[in-house]
Amino acid sequence: QSVLTQPPSTSGAPGQRVTVSCSGSSSIMASYTVNWYQQLPGMAPKLLIYGNDQRPAGVPDRFSGSKSGTSASLAITGLQSEDEADYYCALWIDSLHVFGTGTKVTVL
Amino acid sequence: EVQLVQSGAEVKEPGESLKISCKGFGYTFSNYWVVWVRQMPGKGLEWMGIIYPGDSDTRYSPSFQGQVIISADKSISTAYLQLTTLKASDSATYYCARQGGFGEFDYWGQGALVTVSS
Repeated sequence: QSVLTQPPSTSGAPGQRVTVSCSGSSSIMASYTVNWYQQLPGMAPKLLIYGNDQRPAGVPDRFSGSKSGTSASLAITGLQSEDEADYYCALWIDSLHVFGTGTKVTVL
Repeated sequence: EVQLVQSGAEVKEPGESLKISCKGFGYTFSNYWVVWVRQMPGKGLEWMGIIYPGDSDTRYSPSFQGQVIISADKSISTAYLQLTTLKASDSATYYCARQGGFGEFDYWGQGALVTVSS
């Protein structure tokens, strides 16, 4: 059972904006930075956002991360068909790592 | 170019053991932590443990402590995940990844599919 909770699924039409939330206890979320991963069907995960809101080189600026209080969010603006994937948040807590439960994003 | 290349898919019988490898290319392997992640069929990502190849400092998730062995040979830039006394429930894809400065996993191996069946 993960300490980080994500909605199982969300969806949007092409061009729309969708958000994926990642919730945890206030003490954990306040103290540690959040990273986000995208896993396309049948593929290895890929780093999408690190340090709460930083994009690695090559990640489109349609993807953005934020954190406030007890939750973090991943936003995808201008949703595209190739964004259909599973998305995971993750925290690095005192030498241990925890993944969120994962959210499937469907493009309608 | 940074790459992590894992060993191939395996089919094993219950009770057997298995060692999966993860070889790093394009960076100084000794200087970055390497993590192992399990993904059971149709399920989410689970962090198993992590090793620093420079000195073999290793940490395990409480969920996997005592169940797996993580090791590394920095001379050949390779990390290993050993599974012993395999069970059907060990059937999964196992990924290795490199950890960056924010605890992020910035480069991933392609995954190794393990099937345990009699």
